[in-house]
Amino acid sequence: AQTVTQSQPEMSVQEAETVTLSCTYDTSESDYYLFWYKQPPSRQMILVIRQEAYKQQNATENRFSVNFQKAAKSFSLKISDSQLGDAAMYFCAADMNRDDKIIFGKGTRLHILP
Amino acid sequence: GAVVSQHPSWVICKSGTSVKIECRSLDFQATTMFWYRQFPKQSLMLMATSNEGSKATYEQGVEKDKFLINHASLTLSTLTVTSAHPEDSSFYICSARPPRGQGRPDTQYFGPGTRLTVL
Repeated sequence: AQTVTQSQPEMSVQEAETVTLSCTYDTSESDYYLFWYKQPPSRQMILVIRQEAYKQQNATENRFSVNFQKAAKSFSLKISDSQLGDAAMYFCAADMNRDDKIIFGKGTRLHILP
Repeated sequence: GAVVSQHPSWVICKSGTSVKIECRSLDFQATTMFWYRQFPKQSLMLMATSNEGSKATYEQGVEKDKFLINHASLTLSTLTVTSAHPEDSSFYICSARPPRGQGRPDTQYFGPGTRLTVL
């Protein structure tokens, strides 16, 4: 079965510090897409970062970067220089069949401590 | 680019009535749109895949007659909750994927969601 697992329901980090959110997935496919979405209190889903499985280079978007370990089926998100606006629910997601469907993890709620 | 809107942002209705929610892709054409339901403090649950010009594909356990989906154009999909009951109260979110050449491929962009409350 294709699954996406986020094992950290909640995390906290001090403002300006770095935090890493974990995500693992299971698939037999070799070509797929992985995503991290952010859902702030407004509940608008915002794309944070995207990784194509056939690319070995880890994706980076400003303060956000991923550690993509294909063999281990791991896709963690690192947030550097955490800001108060980063407080949100973060969902790891995968499009494993390229059939348009996205499988979501259960989410990690991130708290930023001032 | 790749902006998706939803209307209304919130709606309150009486039990037994029907409610229509619109999802629009504002700056791209979307042959496929998706409808999700999200309960408080939970993840998104895919309800159905909406395909322009054809019938929607529903996920297992989702009542087709309860949640009617119409994708009449390349920029508009609607979800109608028929004969709504309090248990249908939830947050409904749509998403759309732009075609190649418009926005990032294989990436879904989400609308802001609609909060439905059935009294």
